[in-house]
Amino acid sequence: DQQVKQNSPSLSVQEGRISILNCDYTNSMFDYFLWYKKYPAEGPTFLISISSIKDKNEDGRFTVFLNKSAKHLSLHIVPSQPGDSAVYFCAATDGTSYGKLTFGQGTILTVHP
Amino acid sequence: DGGITQSPKYLFRKEGQNVTLSCEQNLNHDAMYWYRQDPGQGLRLIYYSQIVNDFQKGDIAEGYSVSREKKESFPLTVTSAQKNPTAFYLCASSHNYGYTFGSGTRLTVV
Repeated sequence: DQQVKQNSPSLSVQEGRISILNCDYTNSMFDYFLWYKKYPAEGPTFLISISSIKDKNEDGRFTVFLNKSAKHLSLHIVPSQPGDSAVYFCAATDGTSYGKLTFGQGTILTVHP
Repeated sequence: DGGITQSPKYLFRKEGQNVTLSCEQNLNHDAMYWYRQDPGQGLRLIYYSQIVNDFQKGDIAEGYSVSREKKESFPLTVTSAQKNPTAFYLCASSHNYGYTFGSGTRLTVV
């Protein structure tokens, strides 16, 4: 049972344009969501997070939107840069399971110069 | 400089052998986790631990074992019972929704 899903395995965008990565979840107990960036053979790097009491969180070029009724979140990167090319994972957790994260399958983002 | 150290970076194992992956943190985090990454499947939770001498099975615990004798250390043993051990293994720790990941160990069964 995949509780966190990233249905787009890959995304390709032009430098300077917006990248939108999507994530859906099924577990209504999730109350905190995170986005990570990952390069091959390295650990994930934290990008941005959002609590379920908010619907938007912004940090520089990165904005995360949460739609609780649709159980959907998205990561917007504006403007996209070639250095953003990586695998992006969304993750979710609830407050009752020792903070363990449930990850989506990941989306490979490629930003072309 | 606080962080998580995983060793070794690359590990080769013969079929039928057990192997132990090291994970050490100096962040004073109570919770620690082991994840496995396979292509197209994201990161899946193997085991996690909230406190010393306590740990819980994750989603794919079969063929793995862990121990938590010290707060700083959470080693993972991949046993011969694990049918598809070749993967990238990540250790993490957390405190108040702040998560830190190690740089991973690539295990290859030859």
